[in-house]
Amino acid sequence: DVKVTQSSRYLVKRTGEKVFLECVQDMDHENMFWYRQDPGLGLRLIYFSYDVKMKEKGDIPEGYSVSREKKERFSLILESASTNQTSMYLCASSLATSGSREQYFGPGTRLTVT
Amino acid sequence: DAKTTQPPSMDCAEGRAANLPCNHSTISGNEYVYWYRQIHSQGPQYIIHGLKNNETNEMASLIITEDRKSSTLILPHATLRDTAVYYCIVRVTGGNDMRFGAGTRLTVKP
Repeated sequence: DVKVTQSSRYLVKRTGEKVFLECVQDMDHENMFWYRQDPGLGLRLIYFSYDVKMKEKGDIPEGYSVSREKKERFSLILESASTNQTSMYLCASSLATSGSREQYFGPGTRLTVT
Repeated sequence: DAKTTQPPSMDCAEGRAANLPCNHSTISGNEYVYWYRQIHSQGPQYIIHGLKNNETNEMASLIITEDRKSSTLILPHATLRDTAVYYCIVRVTGGNDMRFGAGTRLTVKP
């Protein structure tokens, strides 16, 4: 059974704090993704990675960075959290060698920045 | 990627089949149709995908019209736990991100 896990379901941080969101997948997938989901805006891609130490910007990378030191782990970093980064954060992974590349999502982290 | 159109909401009686339609009239030959669902406050769950042929798995069936301009997701025996927002997505082969629209809010009623 496919499994994507995220370090926290709920997180509350203060403005200006550095925030780490961790994602781990056990499916040996090459591709990993970070999205945020906001009401009325759907899912928006922040960053993705197609290999260890590789990263690509998505649609809204500003204010975020990522790290992929191991194939199974993809971290999202908020260098200095702001209230407009309050959101649901979703991690996903997919198999690069599959033509369809369907993505499997984690349970999400609901981050509140106060 | 082709745009999709789905009804905003649907109801279904428990135990009956739920048929969720999706229109993707501008789909091109190398674009897959994917279905996901999202139960409140959880991450999206992959259901099924197809290119040209109808597909079936343990969760659902996907019926794609011959001209590929529309599709229907069928949940054969809906349960209360199938209440969720269902998303139909069309994406090119090898594409990166999944573009989720507004989806269809399916409510399964006792």
